[in-house]
Amino acid sequence: EAGVAQSPRYKIIEKRQSVAFWCNPISGHATLYWYQQILGQGPKLLIQFQNNGVVDDSQLPKDRFSAERLKGVDSTLKIQPAKLEDSAVYLCASSPTRGIGYTFGSGTRLTVV
Amino acid sequence: AQSVTQLGSHVSVSEGALVLLRCNYSSSVPPYLFWYVQYPNQGLQLLLKYTTGATLVKGINGFEAEFKKSETSFHLTKPSAHMSDAAEYFCAVSDGNFGNEKLTFGTGTRLTIIP
Repeated sequence: EAGVAQSPRYKIIEKRQSVAFWCNPISGHATLYWYQQILGQGPKLLIQFQNNGVVDDSQLPKDRFSAERLKGVDSTLKIQPAKLEDSAVYLCASSPTRGIGYTFGSGTRLTVV
Repeated sequence: AQSVTQLGSHVSVSEGALVLLRCNYSSSVPPYLFWYVQYPNQGLQLLLKYTTGATLVKGINGFEAEFKKSETSFHLTKPSAHMSDAAEYFCAVSDGNFGNEKLTFGTGTRLTIIP
């Protein structure tokens, strides 16, 4: 089974610029998650989708972050405008509707300078 | 609210020695518990998980963990460390709600293996 695909792997931008990350989950996985992992910390959930609906976005900084999951498959996470503190690895994960255990992608490492 | 505490941000052991990584959790409901491993520049890989049933859980690469409810712990062990075990390890907890397994992670433990 193919894993969770993320792109790009690395991105360097200047502060106040915008950036977008893409995620393609495992086929058939209804639930999709975006996590932010700041250096030296554990991943923190940003947003959770069930099919194309948002289940939990309580930790998403909505003034600058947005995410969508069109047609309940691929997802895009956007930051606009970026701040220095947004430098982190952004991990996408997916899980079956009725199952336990995520599959994580390799992540996108964002550096804001 | 759930939380996870990993004692020791860095652990060093000699090759062939016992590996013990500590994890304590806080949860208001029966927890589901996980250990993940992260190699440099890679995503998180599931090592093992506890949901219900047997409290001693065996995972990949020779790792195991024991759920101790009375101690609210889920420590990770491996009898004999190998150089390839060098990585960052994360303990995580969820509320076990099927299809909504929001994970709360600890801050991680970096494991170094001394030749």
